Amino acid sequence: EPEVTQTPSHQVTQMGQEVILRCVPISNHLYFYWYRQILGQKVEFLVSFYNNEISEKSEIFDDQFSVERPDGSNFTLKIRSTKLEDSAMYFCAISEQGRGYEQYFGPGTRLTVT
Amino acid sequence: SQELEQSPQSLIVQEGKNLTINCTSSKTLYGLYWYKQKYGEGLIFLMMLQKGGEEKSHEKITAKLDEKKQQSSLHITASQPSHAGIYLCGAEGAQKLVFGQGTRLTINP
Repeated sequence: EPEVTQTPSHQVTQMGQEVILRCVPISNHLYFYWYRQILGQKVEFLVSFYNNEISEKSEIFDDQFSVERPDGSNFTLKIRSTKLEDSAMYFCAISEQGRGYEQYFGPGTRLTVT
Repeated sequence: SQELEQSPQSLIVQEGKNLTINCTSSKTLYGLYWYKQKYGEGLIFLMMLQKGGEEKSHEKITAKLDEKKQQSSLHITASQPSHAGIYLCGAEGAQKLVFGQGTRLTINP
């Protein structure tokens, strides 16, 4: 199983601040995803990314969110101005070829907005 | 949009007993994924099913997808404490997974 690391493991930030969550896949997988899980709720899809472009995004992924892969390895999720309701676990996932292939998840970043 | 319903929501079984978790989709499944999650941790990939009637096994865990591709089951044989956690089913959509609410499994010694 390919390894996916995420940093930081826990981030505490004040409302209105910008945060950047990082994902480092230890593989050559091409498809990247961000999901989030609010405490006690379902895992929700945010965005998928392939070939330096967003391929799919949910209604949750509004203008406050952005993704990029700045150096060809790290995959980042930026939240421009955090809100209390952004508090959640954020999971990065990777897939070798997208649809029809396994998605492997990282350990997650716990974001707490105060 | 596709919805997944898992049953039961929680399950407590005695060590050594068999158990089954079900996942029902509101639409025909293109692919169905099973994951295990420990509280507050990441999702561990278990199995992926794509064909109607398909069955896969890994160690003591067997997953099946029905012929109509709208329901899947996860069966654990001779449960062990290491099987405790939250089991999630996920339906494959266009470049994303849609998850059920999870089934919390507790194994009593």
